[in-house]
Amino acid sequence: TQLLEQSPQFLSIQEGENLTVYCNSSSVFSSLQWYRQEPGEGPVLLVTVVTGGEVKKLKRLTFQFGDARKDSSLHITAAQPGDTGLYLCAGQGTSYDKVIFGPGTSLSVIP
Amino acid sequence: DAGITQSPRHKVTETGTPVTLRCHQTENHRYMYWYRQDPGHGLRLIHYSYGVKDTDKGEVSDGYSVSRSKTEDFLLTLESATSSQTSVYFCAISESTRSSTDTQYFGPGTRLTVL
Repeated sequence: TQLLEQSPQFLSIQEGENLTVYCNSSSVFSSLQWYRQEPGEGPVLLVTVVTGGEVKKLKRLTFQFGDARKDSSLHITAAQPGDTGLYLCAGQGTSYDKVIFGPGTSLSVIP
Repeated sequence: DAGITQSPRHKVTETGTPVTLRCHQTENHRYMYWYRQDPGHGLRLIHYSYGVKDTDKGEVSDGYSVSRSKTEDFLLTLESATSSQTSVYFCAISESTRSSTDTQYFGPGTRLTVL
């Protein structure tokens, strides 16, 4: 059974600080996705990574897929209150597999 | 934003009563999913549908049933609600071509409380 773990579970930082959150598994994934969920809303896709070692940037957010395609990280530079939310990683073993979600990292950015 | 609505958005019910949640899409996507979200567990798949009248179980399907009589509607039914089914329920849709990564679009969620 494929499982995704995320760390830390909770993170509270001051505005302007940098942070990194992690998504790990013992299984290989053909792709990994990161979603952000704001309170009272459904998750929204931020990025998909498909190649081992791939790095994608979305403004102040940098996503990396591990070389072995078992892990991923999300780095936020100069965090802002608008970054507050639950960050979920999701993976697919192959394109024929159902997507599985990690438990999420709850980020709070304090002004 | 993908056109996905869920109803009701909030519901309080009593143990043992039947409950039906509705998901409606305007995107004509083939795949529809029901998830529940609980603290520390992330999103767990309950049931999904890959076409009209075509459904399959997810990892936490016990106590739930689904129906899809039209492309745009996917219903989740709790035949006899229990307190362990208190959760936030999300519907999602995707095109899921099987040749590319499955990108899912989520509805706003339904918060269900079973007393």
